[in-house]
Amino acid sequence: KAGVTQTPRYLIKTRGQQVTLSCSPISGHRSVSWYQQTPGQGLQFLFEYFSETQRNKGNFPGRFSGRQFSNSRSEMNVSTLELGDSALYLCASSLVQGVVETQYFGPGTRLLVL
Amino acid sequence: KNQVEQSPQSLIILEGKNCTLQCNYTVSPFSNLRWYKQDTGRGPVSLTIMTFSENTKSNGRYTATLDADTKQSSLHITASQLSDSASYICVVLGEEYGNKLVFGAGTILRVKS
Repeated sequence: KAGVTQTPRYLIKTRGQQVTLSCSPISGHRSVSWYQQTPGQGLQFLFEYFSETQRNKGNFPGRFSGRQFSNSRSEMNVSTLELGDSALYLCASSLVQGVVETQYFGPGTRLLVL
Repeated sequence: KNQVEQSPQSLIILEGKNCTLQCNYTVSPFSNLRWYKQDTGRGPVSLTIMTFSENTKSNGRYTATLDADTKQSSLHITASQLSDSASYICVVLGEEYGNKLVFGAGTILRVKS
């Protein structure tokens, strides 16, 4: 099976712009989670989608939003970009087997805001 | 205060040596604890997943231990290789807040020859 794919891999934007990142989960996985990773903060949870519904949300401002389509592909949007939004954005898809949820990460999209 | 704390922040060891990374957590109750390895420029890859009833789990040269009473976990790497250079992240799946994953900041390991 193909792994989790994210596009684009790298992106440069300027302050005030908006950006949309895309994530395609592993076939059959219905849960998609988004994370922001910065050197000082580590991995921070953004939100999780399951069957086109947002199931969990982290502590990020409303400028960060997402959605999931019927084929489980997910997009994340950041509006009015700030310098501090520069980070690696990781997407992960999950498969629940019994009591254990196994999460598989994509390679990430590295966003640089100038 | 971070609910999952890892130590040390970074570590440099010689190839062939062993090392142990620590993870202390306050997330409670928790469902399971995971260790991930993240190479530079790549997404994290799962190494081990342990439920609260498991004390130890191995994956090749990686051995994770869990003490649910003291809320501590460790990841022991045996006979380190240059390819072990990466960030190692401890993650706890907490039942509060709707089964949300809580990530530690990671330990950066560098193995040198």
